[in-house]
Amino acid sequence: EVQLVESGGGLVQPGGSLRLSCVASGFTFSQTWMTWVRQAPGKGLEWVGNIHSDGRVKNYADSVKGRFTISRDNAKDTLYLQMNSLRAEDTAIYYCMRNYYGDWGQGTLVTVSS
Amino acid sequence: QAVVTQEPSLTVSPGGTVTLTCGSTTGAVTSGHSPYWFQQKPGQAPRTLIYDASNKHSWTPARFSGSLLGGKAALTLSGAQPEDEADYYCFLRYSGVGEVFGGGTKLTVL
Repeated sequence: EVQLVESGGGLVQPGGSLRLSCVASGFTFSQTWMTWVRQAPGKGLEWVGNIHSDGRVKNYADSVKGRFTISRDNAKDTLYLQMNSLRAEDTAIYYCMRNYYGDWGQGTLVTVSS
Repeated sequence: QAVVTQEPSLTVSPGGTVTLTCGSTTGAVTSGHSPYWFQQKPGQAPRTLIYDASNKHSWTPARFSGSLLGGKAALTLSGAQPEDEADYYCFLRYSGVGEVFGGGTKLTVL
């Protein structure tokens, strides 16, 4: 059974940093593109970025480019999202998703507020 | 940047048929965009109904089907049930650029 479990969310002040993790199981993580998606309260889904299976190719949404970094540790079957210079508009539930088949985690809530 | 277009809202009668569509401002949606369809109910994480235009997951009810139709991706629900009331999102892949969600369609079964 495919499982994706996000963690690391919480309350952070504007300008602060946070690192999210997504632990994968039930499939060969090292062979799979992965994606981060977020959803602000009451809003639709927004693509944040993705990363190639070997970690060498990454793409980002314009809204997070230069502030967020996606990485992965294939030895630990773990995907990461490093978020810096956080803004109030980054407040959202953050989900990781396995590409192609589209398996989702349950999400982790990030709140940016003073 | 590409914009993915969806109907903001649709209504279907119980037992009826409805088609949700997904277009792209860059031109026709093709299999190369690997269209996804996600269903999301209030308070829940999204779940994938259709991937790669027409492939279903084991949990996808048979009444849902995905296709490419008239330059758009389409999700057809045949025999709507009350539990199908939800938000539906289309998702397209743009090679070398990234991925984009549609704004979502709020489907009402009434």
